[in-house]
Amino acid sequence: DIVLTQSPDSLAVSLGERATINCKSSQSIFYSSNNYDYLAWYQQKPRQPPKLLIYWASTRESGVPDRFSGSGSGTDFTLTISSLQAEDVATYYCQQYLSTPPTFGQGTKMEIK
Amino acid sequence: EVQLVEAGGGLVQPGGSLRLSCVASGFTFSNYWMQWVRQSPEKGLVWVSRLNTEGTDRSKSYADSVKGRFTISRDNAKNTLYLQMNSLRADDTAIYYCVRVKLGAMSFFDLWGQGTLVTVSS
Repeated sequence: DIVLTQSPDSLAVSLGERATINCKSSQSIFYSSNNYDYLAWYQQKPRQPPKLLIYWASTRESGVPDRFSGSGSGTDFTLTISSLQAEDVATYYCQQYLSTPPTFGQGTKMEIK
Repeated sequence: EVQLVEAGGGLVQPGGSLRLSCVASGFTFSNYWMQWVRQSPEKGLVWVSRLNTEGTDRSKSYADSVKGRFTISRDNAKNTLYLQMNSLRADDTAIYYCVRVKLGAMSFFDLWGQGTLVTVSS
């Protein structure tokens, strides 16, 4: 199974500041046949299910604010929130969908400083 | 409204069985691969099972931890996904989410239900 390791486990950022979460894969999740990285990011607020933010490593889901962006390729990926808002308090997960079983990172808990 | 609504969770003794269901609305259910994902504080988010648009046996896949005990199925006429869970163990305790797969087998998860809690305990 592909193992995804997120860092940090938790993060406290001031309102309006940039927040960065990293996700490292135990093997490449880049598929050369279509030049896509099979990596998604989800946001989960307390007592809610996860919500898709980013797919193909950098494509924002419809309706997701443009302060959220994804980058990276191969084994190293980043989710960036350019200007943290109060409603961004949540836990964030990366996920690979290149191989079965699809796997998730352990999560990064985002808080306001 | 596009949504998935799970039901069937509850408290069950070790060795017991439960059948989860998930009713889809607001989209053409039969066009999408579907799956189950579970979440517990101990193990986080863990994929459980998946099947294709027609629910064929060849398309069904399972996590090693549930293989031989859980069975996924669907009824497209009823817009409903199922998970039959047998021989339940304490480590099956989790919130179970019904999840839509966007573009087929190897794709991201674009719609999640609210989840149903399964507790396995004596």
